[in-house]
Amino acid sequence: DIQMTQSPSSLSASVGDRVTITCRASQSISTYLNWYQQKPGKAPKLLIYAASSLQSGVPSRFSGSRSGTDFTLTINSLQPEDFATYYCQQSYSLRGDTFGQGTKLEIK
Amino acid sequence: EVQLLEFGGDLAQPGGSLRLSCAASGFSFSSYAMNWVRQAPGKGLEWVSAISSSGGDTYYADSVKGRFTISRDQSKNTLDLQMNSLRAEDTAVYFCAKPKSGYSYVFDSWGQGTLVTVSS
Repeated sequence: DIQMTQSPSSLSASVGDRVTITCRASQSISTYLNWYQQKPGKAPKLLIYAASSLQSGVPSRFSGSRSGTDFTLTINSLQPEDFATYYCQQSYSLRGDTFGQGTKLEIK
Repeated sequence: EVQLLEFGGDLAQPGGSLRLSCAASGFSFSSYAMNWVRQAPGKGLEWVSAISSSGGDTYYADSVKGRFTISRDQSKNTLDLQMNSLRAEDTAVYFCAKPKSGYSYVFDSWGQGTLVTVSS
């Protein structure tokens, strides 16, 4: 079964900052890694799919990358609307963890 | 515009049953596999179940296998989740989710969710 380890669990940053969130898979998942943003009381929103492809309509300040089994979501020049919780998700296998534990991005 | 509207969430007793439904519109429902994802209060996301576009194949998380049954009605464009033998740990908001075209299990459309509370 695949285990997904997302870090950090929480993060404080200021408007204009650059932040990175990491997700590590316990085994190779190729590029089957996606990132979602969720705001309180709302459904998740797809940001990045296939590790680095930007979903239509998502601002270009969001980007994703992969190094082996390590995946990174980067947000450049944080905007007020970016403060939310972010989840990684592996879509390689239904066995084990599909979603990471989440990263709550808060305003410093 | 894709729309997914879940309903059926309610308060249920431990050991009880509940049936959730998701009404889909704005896309060719019969062409897409569909999924249920849940989120316990204050917790993260958990994939629950999936059904193929034809309805012939179903998949479940270990946590619900043998208790939950996913199904779909192509004529009504609805996705259902029959939940039996409910436990306190099934308390969550349940979302139906549609995959992105060409990408299994990449969810580009979600409903607003329906709350299931399991408590005596």
